[in-house]
Amino acid sequence: GDSVTQMEGPVTLSEEAFLTINCTYTATGYPSLFWYVQYPGEGLQLLLKATKADDKGSNKGFEATYRKETTSFHLEKGSVQVSDSAVYFCALRATGGFKTIFGAGTRLFVKA
Amino acid sequence: EAQVTQNPRYLITVTGKKLTVTCSQNMNHEYMSWYRQDPGLGLRQIYYSMNVEVTDKGDVPEGYKVSRKEKRNFPLILESPSPNQTSLYFCASSLERAPGTDTQYFGPGTRLTVL
Repeated sequence: GDSVTQMEGPVTLSEEAFLTINCTYTATGYPSLFWYVQYPGEGLQLLLKATKADDKGSNKGFEATYRKETTSFHLEKGSVQVSDSAVYFCALRATGGFKTIFGAGTRLFVKA
Repeated sequence: EAQVTQNPRYLITVTGKKLTVTCSQNMNHEYMSWYRQDPGLGLRQIYYSMNVEVTDKGDVPEGYKVSRKEKRNFPLILESPSPNQTSLYFCASSLERAPGTDTQYFGPGTRLTVL
């Protein structure tokens, strides 16, 4: 079945450091890929998404490119801030499908 | 304000005592879903609904029931809760103009403890 694998956390960075959180997936067909973020004590909210191969999603300085050849959707940010401290989830949905598969989540701590 | 609401936000109960967690959205969304979040496991889908009176199982449906009698509401029912259902629960909804590609909007979560 479909699955999503994220790098284990926690990830601890200093402010202004470069961030990469790896995400790879297994799916039949052409899924849509998402990154959601969960701030402490809150529900998840969409950070960015890509619905077809080679699409790049971007938002708030974060980017991720849908790489079909490597089945990956790695999250990157050039310069993190303390306010980026949160848990990040990679997720997929099969095109036209109704199930959503989430990765285990990666906790990010950013130190001032 | 467009939102997904859940009630209660916190609940402590005992094994076997039936409970219902409500979920409501005011965005006229077609799709609604329930997830549970457990440490190290991320979010796992319990049930989802594509429209009124249409529901289907996710990956972890055992011990749960749902109903979708109205478009805006999607309650989660635990007929006989057990300690392994202690978890953080999220409801989500999406419009589904293009199924599979739409953003899901999440509620604030319900933290359930079953003693």
